[in-house]
Parts: sequence; C-alpha cells; structure tokens
Amino acid sequence: EDKVVQSPLSLVVHEGDTVTLNCSYEVTNFRSLLWYKQEKKAPTFLFMLTSSGIEKKSGRLSSILDKKELFSILNITATQTGDSAIYLCAVRAGGTSYGKLTFGQGTILTVHP
Amino acid sequence: NAGVTQTPKFQVLKTGQSMTLQCAQDMNHEYMSWYRQDPGMGLRLIHYSVGAGITDQGEVPNGYNVSRSTTEDFPLRLLSAAPSQTSVYFCASSPGQGRSYTFGSGTRLTVV
Repeated sequence: EDKVVQSPLSLVVHEGDTVTLNCSYEVTNFRSLLWYKQEKKAPTFLFMLTSSGIEKKSGRLSSILDKKELFSILNITATQTGDSAIYLCAVRAGGTSYGKLTFGQGTILTVHP
Repeated sequence: NAGVTQTPKFQVLKTGQSMTLQCAQDMNHEYMSWYRQDPGMGLRLIHYSVGAGITDQGEVPNGYNVSRSTTEDFPLRLLSAAPSQTSVYFCASSPGQGRSYTFGSGTRLTVV
C-alpha cells in the first residue's frame, strides 16, 4: 500500500523565519511528487517534482526531491502571515495505479506577525 | 471556464439517508477523483476514474459508489449515510499522467 508521511504535523513561527517541511514516501512504481497549499477551501497546486536533485522555485518557496532516500522538502523563506495554511504532499504512482494520487496528513503552518 | 464544480456546498443528512454529491469539470480532463478530508488525516482517496466508463477504488471506498458515464461528470453516491461519513469531500480532476490535479471547493457533509 502506498504511504506518504509528512513532518512536522504542525509548526508555529514568526514572520521572517525560514521553515522546512518534510515529506517521505513509500510508493510502488513512483512517478511524481506534488505539493499543495490549502487555505480555507480547496488545495492549490504549488510544485510537481519528478527528478532527483532539481530544485523547483517560485518566489520564496522552493522544493527538491531525493528519489534515492524517498523524500522531498518544501522550504519557505522570509515567511509571511499569508503563508499560514495546510501544506499537503502527494505522490503519484504508475503502473496499474496510474490515476491515483496519495496524500500525506499535511503540515499545519501558522505564521504570527 | 468554471474548472471543477461541486454541489452542494453544505449538506446535513440523517443516518440511513442516501444522497449524491455532484462533481462536474469543463476542462475535458480524463482523470477525476473523490477525496474526503478529516482533521489530522490529510486527504484520503475514495474512488477515482481514468476515463469515461472506468472507475477504481481508493483507500476508503466502503459506503460510497461512483460511476463515470461522461468525461465531465463524476458523481459520488452515499448509499446509507452514517455519522462516520461526516467530513469535507473534495472532487479533483487532471488532464492525465504527468499533470497536476485541480480541486473543487468542497462539500461539507454532516450526518446526524
């Protein structure tokens, strides 16, 4: 059974801090890893990673994948109160499960002014 | 272009009642999925579909049915609602392999 584990489960920081969110996975026939941000309602897409060691970057957010050690990290630098959200990691499998996206429990990030 | 539309946004059911949560997308996406979200549990996959006429079970399928007769629609049916099905339900769609999923705004369901 595919498994995705995120840590920490919750994190409280102050504006300006840098945070690192972790995602480890066990997936048969791995295809890609995705990060989502969820504020009040629907998750919104941040990054999709398929290759090890290649950093994806968008503003203050960046992410990297290690396919040998089976994990990914999401970094947020110079955090702002608007970064407060649940961050979700998901993995996509191939083979007979190619339509499945399996999520971790999420990390609740709270950024105080 | 509305994206992924879920209806209703809120619903209260009595134990034993049945209902259908609607999901429609206008992006001609092949893949569609249903998830439930409970506190501390992330998103758990209920059922998914990789095209019209093709569905498969996810992690927590019991008590739910789906069908995919068209590319656009993927309804989720609760056969006999139970309090354990109280949750927020999300529908999502994707163009296919190697592409991200787009989520609807969710349905908050309470079973009393």
